[in-house]
Amino acid sequence: EVQLVESGGNLVQPGGSLRLSCVASGFTFSNFAMNWVRQAPGKGPEWVSAVGGDGSHTYTAESVRGRFRVSRDNSQNTLSLQMTNLRADDTAIYYCAKGPKVSAMAPFDSWGLGTLVIVS
Amino acid sequence: DIQMTQSPSTLSASVGDRVTITCRASQRINNLLAWYQQKPGKAPKVLIYKASTLQSDVPSRFSGSGSGTEFTLTITTLQPDDFATYYCQQYDTYPTFGQGTKVDSK
Repeated sequence: EVQLVESGGNLVQPGGSLRLSCVASGFTFSNFAMNWVRQAPGKGPEWVSAVGGDGSHTYTAESVRGRFRVSRDNSQNTLSLQMTNLRADDTAIYYCAKGPKVSAMAPFDSWGLGTLVIVS
Repeated sequence: DIQMTQSPSTLSASVGDRVTITCRASQRINNLLAWYQQKPGKAPKVLIYKASTLQSDVPSRFSGSGSGTEFTLTITTLQPDDFATYYCQQYDTYPTFGQGTKVDSK
């Protein structure tokens, strides 16, 4: 069974930094692209960033480009999101989501429970 | 970014009803469209991908159709477990979601 467990969410001041992690199990982690997707309170989901299976290709939404960086450690089955210069509109639940193939980021066929980031 | 527009925003229905939700893309997306269901406090769950392919373990009362820029999610016989919010998502380019359609009880 696929399991994705996020951690690292917290209350942070504007301009601050935070690092989110997602530990994966139940599948061969390096064989799948992985994503971060966020959802602000009362809003729809917003894709944030993706990384291919081998970690060499990354993709980032314009809204966070230059502030957020995605990475993965296939030896530890871990996906990370380094967030800097955080703003109030970054407040959201951040989900880790699995892509369907090594180089295809979507659709997102498994999701974690999410971790809450509050910027205030 | 490709904009996705869903209608209606809210839909009131009864168990047993046939429900249809529409999603329009701001440009052609090569049928790279998915539908998700989300319940309060939970992560979204994919129902349909490539516009009409049913994800494994999703009940057959859910179906997707459409092409070009206009797509539809249909629930043939609404069940109590189907009251939720539904989102479309294009993934022809960087993924973008519609604003959601909440299906609630009439």
